[in-house]
Amino acid sequence: AQTVTQSQPEMSVQEAETVTLSCTYDTSENNYYLFWYKQPPSRQMILVIRQEAYKQQNATENRFSVNFQKAAKSFSLKISDSQLGDTAMYFCAFMKRGGGSEKLVFGKGTKLTVNP
Amino acid sequence: GAGVSQSPSNKVTEKGKDVELRCDPISGHTALYWYRQRLGQGLEFLIYFQGNSAPDKSGLPSDRFSAERTGESVSTLTIQRTQQEDSAVYLCASSLATGGGTDTQYFGPGTRLTVL
Repeated sequence: AQTVTQSQPEMSVQEAETVTLSCTYDTSENNYYLFWYKQPPSRQMILVIRQEAYKQQNATENRFSVNFQKAAKSFSLKISDSQLGDTAMYFCAFMKRGGGSEKLVFGKGTKLTVNP
Repeated sequence: GAGVSQSPSNKVTEKGKDVELRCDPISGHTALYWYRQRLGQGLEFLIYFQGNSAPDKSGLPSDRFSAERTGESVSTLTIQRTQQEDSAVYLCASSLATGGGTDTQYFGPGTRLTVL
């Protein structure tokens, strides 16, 4: 079974600064996807960024980028130029490719607060 | 609709009662997922539908939990004889599921269930 670990329950950052959220995972699979989801107080889960395990290049979406280290099974999220609207819970998630059920396996989350 | 919708938004019930939670996926999305989020925790997978069939029910915690989907659209999650430990936010997600394993899951706002 796959597991996802987020070791930072809470983090804070000043507006306009950069912050990195950590995520490690455990799997014996070779073909999978990794995700970061954001959950603001509204409860709506919003996809931030996605990484295919077979791609060596790190995914980037505007101010959000990842550092994917496949051998180390590490998948950190970097948020640049932090904004107040980035305040939310951030969840790292794993999806095994194929096998019929593409369910997501989530970490416990990191609560990020962006301070003005 | 524009996104995944869920109803009710909040549900308070007494221990021992049955509850039904509804999910309306994005039109055309064949895959539908139910997850449970306990307070301060990440999401736990409950069940996956592909069309109207449920090939993966591995996350249902007990036989008090069941779900169905009709018309490849609306899904209902039923919890019988609710217990206090069932208190959680129940989230639904849908995806296109084209078979490539890359489809993003889009989440609804969830139903917060409180069992007194």
